[in-house]
Amino acid sequence: GEDVEQSLFLSVREGDSSVINCTYTDSSSTYLYWYKQEPGAGLQLLTYIFSNMDMKQDQRLTVLLNKKDKHLSLRIADTQTGDSAIYFCAESIGGSYIPTFGRGTSLIVHP
Amino acid sequence: NAGVMQNPRHLVRRRGQEARLRCSPMKGHSHVYWYRQLPEEGLKFMVYLQKENIIDESGMPKERFSAEFPKEGPSILRIQQVVRGDSAAYFCASSSQESGNTIYFGEGSWLTVV
Repeated sequence: GEDVEQSLFLSVREGDSSVINCTYTDSSSTYLYWYKQEPGAGLQLLTYIFSNMDMKQDQRLTVLLNKKDKHLSLRIADTQTGDSAIYFCAESIGGSYIPTFGRGTSLIVHP
Repeated sequence: NAGVMQNPRHLVRRRGQEARLRCSPMKGHSHVYWYRQLPEEGLKFMVYLQKENIIDESGMPKERFSAEFPKEGPSILRIQQVVRGDSAAYFCASSSQESGNTIYFGEGSWLTVV
């Protein structure tokens, strides 16, 4: 199976919270990342969390890490239509900063 | 401070031709990474280079693909004798010792093989 797995689609109503989930397999992951990709564009780093942390909050974004279950989530509060994009979860391991990406979750925000 | 610059943004090649994709890292960055994104898939790591050195090429196909990052000038990803399956978005990213665990992506080069 893939090293990093995500569900492919998520649809939410504008103003609701979105929760995008990700699981990874390597317990030696050091950093876990969330990237955003808008259509036809590159990847924008949204946030990252070090593996010894449980939670990180940055404005509307909350990252939760359950290291025991190897589960990472990204919560977007008050989701807006401009948040519609593909969200990639990624991990890097040990001293290597080369992220391994999941397939991405397409977030669709409708009025 | 300009970000990671990739060109061309879009490239069309006929089967059998060569494709050259260029990447200029962010100012002060000496580490370059190339990723490929196939349609409907995530990003797959291809190669990691520092100036004049290939550090990790574990994701590079064994044939037809090569990468370099010379002392002067941009990093080049070269695909010889392209086939339809090479059609993809190719992303470059860069980092520095100071940026640590954070790598910054360019806007990508979209290769279409006809």
